Amino acid sequence: GAGVSQTPSNKVTEKGKYVELRCDPISGHTALYWYRQSLGQGPEFLIYFQGTGAADDSGLPNDRFFAVRPEGSVSTLKIQRTERGDSAVYLCASSLSWSDTQYFGPGTRLTVL
Amino acid sequence: AQKVTQAQTEISVVEKEDVTLDCVYETRDTTYYLFWYKQPPSGELVFLIRRNSFDEQNEISGRYSWNFQKSTSSFNFTITASQVVDSAVYFCALFSGGYQKVTFGTGTKLQVIP
Repeated sequence: GAGVSQTPSNKVTEKGKYVELRCDPISGHTALYWYRQSLGQGPEFLIYFQGTGAADDSGLPNDRFFAVRPEGSVSTLKIQRTERGDSAVYLCASSLSWSDTQYFGPGTRLTVL
Repeated sequence: AQKVTQAQTEISVVEKEDVTLDCVYETRDTTYYLFWYKQPPSGELVFLIRRNSFDEQNEISGRYSWNFQKSTSSFNFTITASQVVDSAVYFCALFSGGYQKVTFGTGTKLQVIP
């Protein structure tokens, strides 16, 4: 079946702009996660959804970052007033439920100039 | 809190050699899960294995094997007869019921030289 998909694969933006990153999880997976991966590091947790609600957003670095999952499937990560330090690969993962194995998408590489 | 340590930053081996990637974890929970993921140059994280804290049996899958030892809080990964296609960054990860997040190590970059 189809895996996790993310769009766009690459996003280049200017400092101060707003960006949206989209994640389409595996069909039937109720849990969805966003991570950020900087060069040479492991993925860092940002936020976790169980269904439509954000069960844990403790990893979001500040209030410029926000994510939604209105219908319990597709999720959008939104970053306002982007900064150069936001440049990273943003990874999305989904799992059947919160303690099951997470399957990752290919990521969105965000570059803030 | 929980932590995963992968002390080996980079390893180079010649094709057909065996190689072991180390992973040491810390958690206060008694129920937890350990994972290994592979991240090839293409960038996508590929799931390799999941092991729960109550199952210390070692596992073998083809050329891959995993050694889980609770006494030393380690979950090491061995590739036998390495191949060039094994070249990637390998991440060890931990999920515990109390923390409810997956924590990744910093990864080990494996280069297999033909």
